[in-house]
Amino acid sequence: AQTVTQSQPEMSVQEAETVTLSCTYDTSENNYYLFWYKQPPSRQMILVIRQEAYKQQNATENRFSVNFQKAAKSFSLKISDSQLGDTAMYFCAFMKPRYGGATNKLIFGTGTLLAVQP
Amino acid sequence: ETGVTQTPRHLVMGMTNKKSLKCEQHLGHNAMYWYKQSAKKPLELMFVYSLEERVENNSVPSRFSPECPNSSHLFLHLHTLQPEDSALYLCASSQVGWGAAQYFGPGTRLTVL
Repeated sequence: AQTVTQSQPEMSVQEAETVTLSCTYDTSENNYYLFWYKQPPSRQMILVIRQEAYKQQNATENRFSVNFQKAAKSFSLKISDSQLGDTAMYFCAFMKPRYGGATNKLIFGTGTLLAVQP
Repeated sequence: ETGVTQTPRHLVMGMTNKKSLKCEQHLGHNAMYWYKQSAKKPLELMFVYSLEERVENNSVPSRFSPECPNSSHLFLHLHTLQPEDSALYLCASSQVGWGAAQYFGPGTRLTVL
């Protein structure tokens, strides 16, 4: 069974600095998708970034980028120029391949609570 | 309204009550999901509807009953809940294609007394 591990329950970073959140996963599949979501205190889960395992190029969305190491099964999120609005719980998620009409199923980690300090 | 909306945002109910949670998506998606988020636990997928057909039910107790009347609306009917059912219930939607990102609503905070 696939599992997603986020080993840092809480992290803190100063405003304008860079922080990296770690995520590892376990799978025997060769192709799959990986996601980062953020959940601010308002509770709305917001998509941050999406990566297809088949593509070696790391995904980037503005200040957010990933370091995808397929062999190591690692998918870390880097936030550059951290802002107060980045304070949130960050979840890493894995989407396994679909076979025979199966549905898109996301497997989430337990999250990392990031606090951006002024 | 844009994105995925959920009502009510907060709900307190007794164990003998019947209530319903509503989710509406304005993204033109054709798959919808219910998740349960409890403290210190990963999100748990409860139900999946694809093209208005229920395609997944992850061993959810029968006191939770989903309904998807069309591709834009999803309901979760609740009856005779237990205190351990208190949680944040999140609705999400996506396209049916593999790898499609899921977009979430703001959630309903449910408290069962």
